Amino acid sequence: NAGVTQTPKFQVLKTGQSMTLQCAQDMNHEYMSWYRQDPGMGLRLIHYSVGAGITDQGEVPNGYNVSRSTTEDFPLRLLSAAPSQTSVYFCASSYSLGGPSYNSPLHFGNGTRLTVT
Amino acid sequence: RKEVEQDPGPFNVPEGATVAFNCTYSNSASQSFFWYRQDCRKEPKLLMSVYSSGNEDGRFTAQLNRASQYISLLIRDSKLSDSATYLCAVNKDNYGQNFVFGPGTRLSVLP
Repeated sequence: NAGVTQTPKFQVLKTGQSMTLQCAQDMNHEYMSWYRQDPGMGLRLIHYSVGAGITDQGEVPNGYNVSRSTTEDFPLRLLSAAPSQTSVYFCASSYSLGGPSYNSPLHFGNGTRLTVT
Repeated sequence: RKEVEQDPGPFNVPEGATVAFNCTYSNSASQSFFWYRQDCRKEPKLLMSVYSSGNEDGRFTAQLNRASQYISLLIRDSKLSDSATYLCAVNKDNYGQNFVFGPGTRLSVLP
């Protein structure tokens, strides 16, 4: 029972490089999201998706793109990496009831630590 | 006012102590509340949901106060293994799964 799987675990990029952080879940969850976590800032929502083919921006979307071609996968693309994107990135998923979302917690992947030099 | 606020701590307590954390939220339309535990350099893991009537899971009790817009987490008989950062999560609006997280409260249980 894999849950939410993120790859890679660690990545170092140079400024201006691009890369894709992978996220896959095997729980048939409709909702998937990406957060970044920085010291003192807590978790901040980057992008989210409520189903295949549907994505939307969160609190801090600039510099990131996402797509959702399947229910299982939700990759996060950094278009041109900047030092400000140095962070820990978490993918999370949950079962979306389509109504009041009582007690549908987020399940997190184990994170990707990204350093941009 | 931030959407979700927590005292960052650290709370340093001896083993066996009872400790309580609060988390205040600004959106009165929020309906879903959770407590997560995060160990150093690990992902957040769900500790417990917070129900309107309050709920208990072993040594942990969660409560919701809608009038004052805060949730609380009480840990009784603290163990060394309870040392972690505790995050509260509140959904942004009445419908939907977008959550706002507090910055976390760090707990250290001392022998």
